[in-house]
Order: sequence, then C-alpha cells, then structure tokens
Amino acid sequence: DAKTTQPNSMESNEEEPVHLPCNHSTISGTDYIHWYRQLPSQGPEYVIHGLTSNVNNRMASLAIAEDRKSSTLILHRATLRDAAVYYCILRTSYDKVIFGPGTSLSVIP
Amino acid sequence: EPEVTQTPSHQVTQMGQEVILRCVPISNHLYFYWYRQILGQKVEFLVSFYNNEISEKSEIFDDQFSVERPDGSNFTLKIRSTKLEDSAMYFCASSVGQGAAYGYTFGSGTRLTVV
Repeated sequence: DAKTTQPNSMESNEEEPVHLPCNHSTISGTDYIHWYRQLPSQGPEYVIHGLTSNVNNRMASLAIAEDRKSSTLILHRATLRDAAVYYCILRTSYDKVIFGPGTSLSVIP
Repeated sequence: EPEVTQTPSHQVTQMGQEVILRCVPISNHLYFYWYRQILGQKVEFLVSFYNNEISEKSEIFDDQFSVERPDGSNFTLKIRSTKLEDSAMYFCASSVGQGAAYGYTFGSGTRLTVV
C-alpha cells in the first residue's frame, strides 16, 4: 500500500495560517490524496481531496507538489476549533479510507 | 448539511452480552462502513457494505460481528458476545460512491464500554 509520512505534532498561533505537510514518495498515478481531521471526542471529518491540481474548499486548501510526492494542507486562518488530529491518506481506485497516526495540531490563543 | 446519525452515543454492557449499534447514513449514499477506535489508538477499519452485502472486512471483524441494513435507512453493527477488549468508540460512515474520488461522512460515534 502507498504510505504517507506526517509530523507527529505541530503548533500554530490562532488567526495565523497553518501548513500541514505530508510526504508520499511512493504515490502512483491513480492515487488520490485525501485529508481528514478528528476533533477531540468526535468522529473523523472529511476535509479535502485532490489528484493532481491544487484544490480549494470552504475548509482548507490542498497544495500538491508537481511530482506529487508531497502535499500540504493549508488552513488559512487557524482558530481554536481547528485543534485536531489531521490525517493525510492515499487512496487508489476502490481503496477504503485507512487512517495512520496523523498530525496532532495544537492552536495557541 | 446532511449528517450520519449514530445511536446511542454511549452504551455500557456486561461482558458476554449482545449489543447493537445503530447508524442512519446519509439518504442518497450507497456505501456504508464501520470503524472503531480504542482509546488512545488510531481509527481502524472494520467492514464495508454495499448492495446488502459485505464488500470487505478486516481481521478484527470476526464471527462475533455482523452488519445489517434492516430497512431503507438504518445500518447496524451487532456484537454477539462482547469482550472487554471490544470497549472502543465505534464510528459509522457512508459515501455516495465507492471510488477514491469520493469522501466519507462519519458519524459522531458510539462509545461502547464493556464491563
């Protein structure tokens, strides 16, 4: 299975942008890059996904490197509510969502 | 925004008892999933379900587990004889399509405590 590598934890100041990195050097041409997050005591929440081009939605932006071996989830203005574990997940074709340990994001007031 | 609804939010059961966890997926979604998360550990896949059949299951999903879609709206996970190690958060999820172009919507979970 294609794998991802994320930092265990990151910190951000409230109201500042956050860039959450993900390395996926063994990505194949048909792998989609998905991001989910899990707030404390909540279920996982879909954030965004992309294949080759950068993507924007109301929650975040996803920047995908030209060689697709890495990607960055961008929260444009961190709030206290964004404190969560963020998961970068590769999915091929009909693969199910499989969670790794993710990055635990702390937001400092 | 449509939601996946899970009930109950918390269930306490005696070891050896049967439990049924209930989920109402989003109405136009066709693919259904159960995951679990033991306290302090990562979220683990249990089973996927489509067209009234199990599509895939993990090693965790042994003969003690079963899933059912008894009507057009509910999706249930049954644990026949609970063990202490079944204590976990159980999350239901649904998606409109199966492929990697689709995301999953998760419910808020049922906390199962086996005593």
